[in-house]
Amino acid sequence: GQNIDQPTEMTATEGAIVQINCTYQTSGFNGLFWYQQHAGEAPTFLSYNVLDGLEEKGRFSSFLSRSKGYSYLLLKELQMKDSASYLCAVKDSNYQLIWGAGTKLIIKP
Amino acid sequence: DVKVTQSSRYLVKRTGEKVFLECVQDMDHENMFWYRQDPGLGLRLIYFSYDVKMKEKGDIPEGYSVSREKKERFSLILESASTNQTSMYLCASSWGGRDTGELFFGEGSRLTVL
Repeated sequence: GQNIDQPTEMTATEGAIVQINCTYQTSGFNGLFWYQQHAGEAPTFLSYNVLDGLEEKGRFSSFLSRSKGYSYLLLKELQMKDSASYLCAVKDSNYQLIWGAGTKLIIKP
Repeated sequence: DVKVTQSSRYLVKRTGEKVFLECVQDMDHENMFWYRQDPGLGLRLIYFSYDVKMKEKGDIPEGYSVSREKKERFSLILESASTNQTSMYLCASSWGGRDTGELFFGEGSRLTVL
């Protein structure tokens, strides 16, 4: 079966750095997405990785290792508004998106 | 900005009722999707459409049907609502083809079936 694993919940301190991991086992790989979802709101796109390596976008970076079936989202200089759920999704060999259950990130002052 | 609008944010229905959830996007996207989101589970795909009049089953189509008569509108229909269909329903759209890019989501429709 296809599987995406993410931690259920993480807590971090304002101003700090947090890394949210995502491991996947899918039938093929055609890219990996990260989305942010604030409580009661729509998921919004953060990043897309299709090749190995680190993609940086402001305070957020996303890393991919296809050989290890692993990605992480790195959030720097955490702000209270970063409190949200972070969803990892992999595009499989049929271009279908397989979604993780999401990681709820709690930021404390 | 891309806007995906879902007709109702909150609905309460009774078992056996027919339920319509409507979704409209304003960016001329070819692809449209219906997902349900439940606590502790990843988004699960109900149906999707790559073009007008086209529809394909996702992972959990049972108990649902869809309609796409116009490019901008994708409707989800629950023919006879059941309590296990109580959930958050998310509509999304994206640029064309099977190798979909970024999905743009609506705000969601929270359905409670009593």
